[in-house]
Amino acid sequence: AQKITQTQPGMFVQEKEAVTLDCTYDTSDPSYGLFWYKQPSSGEMIFLIYQGSYDQQNATEGRYSLNFQKARKSANLVISASQLGDSAMYFCAMRLPSGGGADGLTFGKGTHLIIQP
Amino acid sequence: GAGVSQSPRYKVAKRGQDVALRCDPISGHVSLFWYQQALGQGPEFLTYFQNEAQLDKSGLPSDRFFAERPEGSVSTLKIQRTQQEDSAVYLCASSLYETQYFGPGTRLLVL
Repeated sequence: AQKITQTQPGMFVQEKEAVTLDCTYDTSDPSYGLFWYKQPSSGEMIFLIYQGSYDQQNATEGRYSLNFQKARKSANLVISASQLGDSAMYFCAMRLPSGGGADGLTFGKGTHLIIQP
Repeated sequence: GAGVSQSPRYKVAKRGQDVALRCDPISGHVSLFWYQQALGQGPEFLTYFQNEAQLDKSGLPSDRFFAERPEGSVSTLKIQRTQQEDSAVYLCASSLYETQYFGPGTRLLVL
């Protein structure tokens, strides 16, 4: 079964610094997708960034980038120039191709990021 | 356009009551997912629809949980004879391709 591991339960970061949130995954399937979501205290899951297993380039979306190291099964999220509004829970998730018997996303336990002024 | 909407946002039920949670996906999204999120945890997959077909219900925790999407749009998650361990946030997500977009969730408290 696939698994997502986020080893940082909580992080404190100074405003304007860059942040790296760790994520490792485990699957034997060569085709998969990796996602990062942000969940503020309001509860809604906000999509941040997606990386496909066959993508050659690391994904980027504005201040977010995904450091994808396939051999290490690592998909760390990098937030550049952090802002107070970045304070939230961050979840790493993986999805295998549909029909494989695991159609939903598998989530990690999350990292609680707090940005300090 | 409009995002995924869920209702009610909050539900308090007495143990043993039946509840029904509604999800309105983004218009045109073929795929719809339900997740359960316990306090302090990541969401856990419950079930998946492609149009009106329920293709995967492997995550439903018991036969008290039932989901439907009869016309391939709105979906309802029903929990019969609720128990205290059913207390959680129930998230609905929809997608057209890879990325799933989530609604605000329904927070269920069973007393």
